[in-house]
Amino acid sequence: EVQLVESGGGLVQPGGSLRLSCAASGFTFSSYWMNWVRQAPGKGLEWVANINQDGSQKHYVDSVKGRFTISRDNAKNSLYLQMNRLRAEDTALYYCASIDSDNTGYLDFWGQGILVTVSS
Amino acid sequence: DIQMTQSPSTLSASVGDRVTITCRASQSISSWLAWYQQRPGKAPKLLIYKASSLESGVPSRFSGSGSGTEFTLTISSLQPDDFATYYCQHYNSYPLTFGGGTKVEIK
Repeated sequence: EVQLVESGGGLVQPGGSLRLSCAASGFTFSSYWMNWVRQAPGKGLEWVANINQDGSQKHYVDSVKGRFTISRDNAKNSLYLQMNRLRAEDTALYYCASIDSDNTGYLDFWGQGILVTVSS
Repeated sequence: DIQMTQSPSTLSASVGDRVTITCRASQSISSWLAWYQQRPGKAPKLLIYKASSLESGVPSRFSGSGSGTEFTLTISSLQPDDFATYYCQHYNSYPLTFGGGTKVEIK
């Protein structure tokens, strides 16, 4: 069974940093593009970033470019999101999600999400 | 960036109703469109990919159609489990973007 379990969320002050992790199991993690998607409280879904199988390709939404860095460790079956210079508008539930096995771009498995709150 | 616009934003319906949700893309995305269901407090769940392909395990009352810029998600006979919010998402290019969502409520 595919499992994606996010961790590392919490309360952080504006301008601070946080590192999210996503532990994957039940599939060959190293074969899949992986994503972070967020959802502000009471709002819709926003794709944040993704990374290819060996970490050589990364894409980001404009609003996080230069502040967030996506990475992975295939030996540990883990995905990460380093978030720096956090803003109030980054407050959201952050989901880890895998891209389909053909790498076309739809998100077939999702974690349960981890809450990040940016507030003083 | 490609903008995805869903309508309606809220829909009131009864069990057994046929329900249709529309998603429009700001430019052609061929058939690179997915639909997700999100129940309250839960993660999104993939329903449809490539505009009309049903994800394994998803009930056949769900169907998708369209190509280019206009797409629809249809639920042929609404069931109690289907009261949720539905999102479309394109994957034609980066950034990937979602529609604003359609909340299906009990009438």
